[in-house]
Amino acid sequence: QQQVKQSPQSLIVQKGGISIINCAYENTAFDYFPWYQQFPGKGPALLIAIRPDVSEKKEGRFTISFNKSAKQFSLHIMDSQPGDSATYFCAASNSGGSNYKLTFGKGTLLTVNP
Amino acid sequence: ETGVTQTPRHLVMGMTNKKSLKCEQHLGHNAMYWYKQSAKKPLELMFVYSLEERVENNSVPSRFSPECPNSSHLFLHLHTLQPEDSALYLCASSQEMAYTGELFFGEGSRLTVL
Repeated sequence: QQQVKQSPQSLIVQKGGISIINCAYENTAFDYFPWYQQFPGKGPALLIAIRPDVSEKKEGRFTISFNKSAKQFSLHIMDSQPGDSATYFCAASNSGGSNYKLTFGKGTLLTVNP
Repeated sequence: ETGVTQTPRHLVMGMTNKKSLKCEQHLGHNAMYWYKQSAKKPLELMFVYSLEERVENNSVPSRFSPECPNSSHLFLHLHTLQPEDSALYLCASSQEMAYTGELFFGEGSRLTVL
């Protein structure tokens, strides 16, 4: 019940295209959903995050869409650029009790071709 | 130095060696974490320290021994490791140990156990 399932495992997009990465979760107590971006040789860095009280959050070219009833959330990268090539991790956590742990997906390797 | 710094960046050790990984954060944060990153697996939380006290030991084998002498430094002492322990070990920090706290990761220590 603590799993976060992320797909696809890898994604190749042409420059200017839209990249879409999907995540699904089972634990209905999850109430914080961040996305982390990791470039080769670097540690992950927070990209954008959402809480379930909104269905969408946009920051520049990056948008999180959240579907509470389906227990799914996704990352959309508009006008994808070669500089967006990285591994993206979705995650989820539960504010209830003392559970502060982030549960991560397995990651999606995004390649944006010039 | 800014952010979270990890040393060494690369480490090769035999199964009978003893080595240590070091992490230092320059962000004034109160919580520090060790994560294990293996290919095609979710990030695995190993240890959490809040204000220098260990809060979480996520069922990690005793051959991994953490140490947090102060809120800025975190060590991971390694001994009699197994080849399956080869991975990228990431240190992270956050302002507080909170479920929505942004994690700031170091660049990781790539460990190879022969």
